[in-house]
Amino acid sequence: AQRVTQPEKLLSVFKGAPVELKCNYSYSGSPELFWYVQYSRQRLQLLLRHISRESIKGFTADLNKGETSFHLKKPFAQEEDSAMYYCAHRGSARQLTFGSGTQLTVLP
Amino acid sequence: DAGITQSPRYKITETGRQVTLMCHQTWSHSYMFWYRQDLGHGLRLIYYSAAADITDKGEVPDGYVVSRSKTENFPLTLESATRSQTSVYFCASSADGNQPQHFGDGTRLSIL
Repeated sequence: AQRVTQPEKLLSVFKGAPVELKCNYSYSGSPELFWYVQYSRQRLQLLLRHISRESIKGFTADLNKGETSFHLKKPFAQEEDSAMYYCAHRGSARQLTFGSGTQLTVLP
Repeated sequence: DAGITQSPRYKITETGRQVTLMCHQTWSHSYMFWYRQDLGHGLRLIYYSAAADITDKGEVPDGYVVSRSKTENFPLTLESATRSQTSVYFCASSADGNQPQHFGDGTRLSIL
């Protein structure tokens, strides 16, 4: 089945350390991939979309078709980055298929 | 984004009861979506709508009914609630399907 996989349910890093949240997908062709973030007690919000190739809040994500990955990276984690992060794929009917999410905790 | 609102924010009900979750958006977005969020599963699509009077099933539609008589509203009804439907429900909208989805605050539903 086509899916989005986030292998880490929990990830902890220290403030100032690099962070990488993994996302792998099994869709063929040119997938549309996104990263969404949900801060505590807030609604889900878009962080990045692969087609824009932008950096938001210091985060970047590169689509690697060879490895079918779309990992989210930040060189220096901040405490305010602590949140739940979801990788998602947009299908032909415009619906999103989400990974199971990674809870990132940035320790002081 | 206050443009998409869900009500109620919290709901407790009993098995077998009918319950309706409301979703309202003020942007006149064409696309609207309902997801449920469960630990270990992320968000899963229940139903979606590409326009008024057009709805389609998502990944987990069983036990749910939707309607979209007006562009701005997309209510989700649990016809006979079961404990397995205890979850957090999120509504989302997108202008034309190609634009990012904007999410509501969610409804936390507990079925006893």
